[in-house]
Amino acid sequence: AQKITQTQPGMFVQEKEAVTLDCTYDTSDPSYGLFWYKQPSSGEMIFLIYQGSYDQQNATEGRYSLNFQKARKSANLVISASQLGDSAMYFCAMRGLTGANNLFFGTGTRLTVIP
Amino acid sequence: NAGVTQTPKFQVLKTGQSMTLQCAQDMNHEYMSWYRQDPGMGLRLIHYSVGAGITDQGEVPNGYNVSRSTTEDFPLRLLSAAPSQTSVYFCASSYFTGGRGPRTQYFGPGTRLLVL
Repeated sequence: AQKITQTQPGMFVQEKEAVTLDCTYDTSDPSYGLFWYKQPSSGEMIFLIYQGSYDQQNATEGRYSLNFQKARKSANLVISASQLGDSAMYFCAMRGLTGANNLFFGTGTRLTVIP
Repeated sequence: NAGVTQTPKFQVLKTGQSMTLQCAQDMNHEYMSWYRQDPGMGLRLIHYSVGAGITDQGEVPNGYNVSRSTTEDFPLRLLSAAPSQTSVYFCASSYFTGGRGPRTQYFGPGTRLLVL
């Protein structure tokens, strides 16, 4: 079984600063994938970034990077140069790499960017 | 590509009524799924399908039925609505192939359901 833990219900960051959103996970699968999704106030789920457990390097997508520490079972999202439009809920999710694509989600972190 | 579409956007039901939430995708994805999102919780998987004619239960399947007669469509049926089914429902789809690729799930805009 997979479990995702996001311990920060809410975070604040000053515009143009960097922020780290925490995510820890637990799984018995030897291979797995980790995802981050953004949910703005409009409600849609937007895919941000993916990290495979077998990937040697941390994933990056523009201003998003994933600080993947396999031994600690953590997959923190780093947003650099925060913008007002980054204010949203952020969800960490994972799935095993065998079998179905089913995602297991954390409870989310609400990020507020302060001008 | 329209991506993943869901209808309706919003629905109010009375307890005991039935309804079908529609989901369609035009990306030729084999995998489709339904999640529900409740306040303070992450998304939880209701049902999923890895191809036409194949469905299976997720974490919270009770009170819901699905079928997959085509690759494109994956409707979710509420058999007898209950207030506990008040939630936001998301449909998602992805490729489902062997190997280690991300098989990223792309989500529809959601259906907000209120059961009175």
